[in-house]
Amino acid sequence: RKEVEQDPGPFNVPEGATVAFNCTYSNSASQSFFWYRQDCRKEPKLLMSVYSSGNEDGRFTAQLNRASQYISLLIRDSKLSDSATYLCVVRTASGGSYIPTFGRGTSLIVHP
Amino acid sequence: EAGVTQSPTHLIKTRGQQATLRCSPISGHTSVYWYQQALGLGLQFLLWYDEGEERNRGNFPPRFSGRQFPNYSSELNVNALELEDSALYLCASSLTGSNQPQHFGDGTRLSIL
Repeated sequence: RKEVEQDPGPFNVPEGATVAFNCTYSNSASQSFFWYRQDCRKEPKLLMSVYSSGNEDGRFTAQLNRASQYISLLIRDSKLSDSATYLCVVRTASGGSYIPTFGRGTSLIVHP
Repeated sequence: EAGVTQSPTHLIKTRGQQATLRCSPISGHTSVYWYQQALGLGLQFLLWYDEGEERNRGNFPPRFSGRQFPNYSSELNVNALELEDSALYLCASSLTGSNQPQHFGDGTRLSIL
């Protein structure tokens, strides 16, 4: 089982739709969690950190489920500009430090 | 505030040569991370430096090495280049702490001919 797994998609949705992505992780000792977006041939950009109690930033909501070892990202009222690849990042203890592991990403295409 | 800067933007080398990639973190950030992203693949963790020390390294051969300077900038060195080293190399910086998010530079695209 991979350390961090994401459904690669693509998720193809119309403008205004609500879409949700999940990201599962294998190590129960994972410490911190993040969502990034990456546009084609660009660097990843931080979307939001994921907190234990869940958190929201505008149209974006992130949740953490430690019991089932997954994080989720919900996007409401999708915009054309939301089209991108969404990467989850999990930091896990290794040799006294917490190394970051990226998922392969989930591709989102929002169409008119 | 300036973001993470990487140089060069593009680098073309031949097999067997050596490449040096550079990264300047966001002011105040002491941690620098290096990643490799080959075409169509995810980000693979290479190296992590914090306060001048190597904190961890990913599953890459020893010909991938680097260092962090007293001003927290960093360089990644790749020796004996192979064709499969062709990739986008991304640098990220963060404040110290496992809960601190990383901020990425634009990357260096390394092409091996």
